[in-house]
Amino acid sequence: AQSVTQLDSHVSVSEGTPVLLRCNYSSSYSPSLFWYVQHPNKGLQLLLKYTSAATLVKGINGFEAEFKKSETSFHLTKPSAHMSDAAEYFCVVIVLNSGNTPLVFGKGTRLSVIA
Amino acid sequence: DSGVTQTPKHLITATGQRVTLRCSPRSGDLSVYWYQQSLDQGLQFLIQYYNGEERAKGNILERFSAQQFPDLHSELNLSSLELGDSALYFCASSPRDFRGGYGYTFGSGTRLTVV
Repeated sequence: AQSVTQLDSHVSVSEGTPVLLRCNYSSSYSPSLFWYVQHPNKGLQLLLKYTSAATLVKGINGFEAEFKKSETSFHLTKPSAHMSDAAEYFCVVIVLNSGNTPLVFGKGTRLSVIA
Repeated sequence: DSGVTQTPKHLITATGQRVTLRCSPRSGDLSVYWYQQSLDQGLQFLIQYYNGEERAKGNILERFSAQQFPDLHSELNLSSLELGDSALYFCASSPRDFRGGYGYTFGSGTRLTVV
C-alpha cells in the first residue's frame, strides 16, 4: 500500500530564511505526489504536483519540491520564508493505475514563521 | 474561492442527532470526495462518488452515508452522532476519476461540533 511520512510535525523558521519540509513516500507503483497547504480555518490549497514529468516541480508562492526516487523523498522547499507561509502543509500520494485508491495524506507539518 | 462550495460552514448539534452536509463541486467536475479531518486521525478519506455512482470507500462508519445527485452535488449524512464525530469535514472534486492524477480542489469545509 502507498503511504507518506512527514518527518517533522512542526518546523519553525525565521522570516527570510529557507524552508525545508520533509516527506518520504512508499509506493509499489510510480506515484503522483502533491503538496497541499492549509491556512488556519481554511480549506486545502494545492501547492504543487509531481506526475512523472520533471523531477523538480515549481509551485505557487515560491515553493518547489524535488522528486528523488532513489531516496523515496519529495521534500518541499522555499528559499525565503514569509510570514504568510505560516500554515499546515500536507504531503500527499496517489498511485496511478492501481484501482480505486484516493489521495493518501501525511499527518501534516505545521510551519511557524518568526518575525 | 476554490469553486467547491460546502454548506453549512459550522454546525453544532447534540449526541444522537442526525445532520446533513452538502457539497457542490467545481463546475464541470464529475467526482466528489469526502474527507474527515480530526486532531487525532488527521485527514481520512471517507467516500468518493463519480457521476452519481459510488466509486471508492474508505474509513466511513456505518452511521454515515453519502450520495451524489444528478446535478452532481453531494450530501454526507451523519446519524446517531457521537462526541468523537466532531471534526472538520471536507469535500473535494476533480474533473474525472482520481486516476487522472491532477489533484483535487477542496472546499473550505464544514466544522461539526457534537455536544
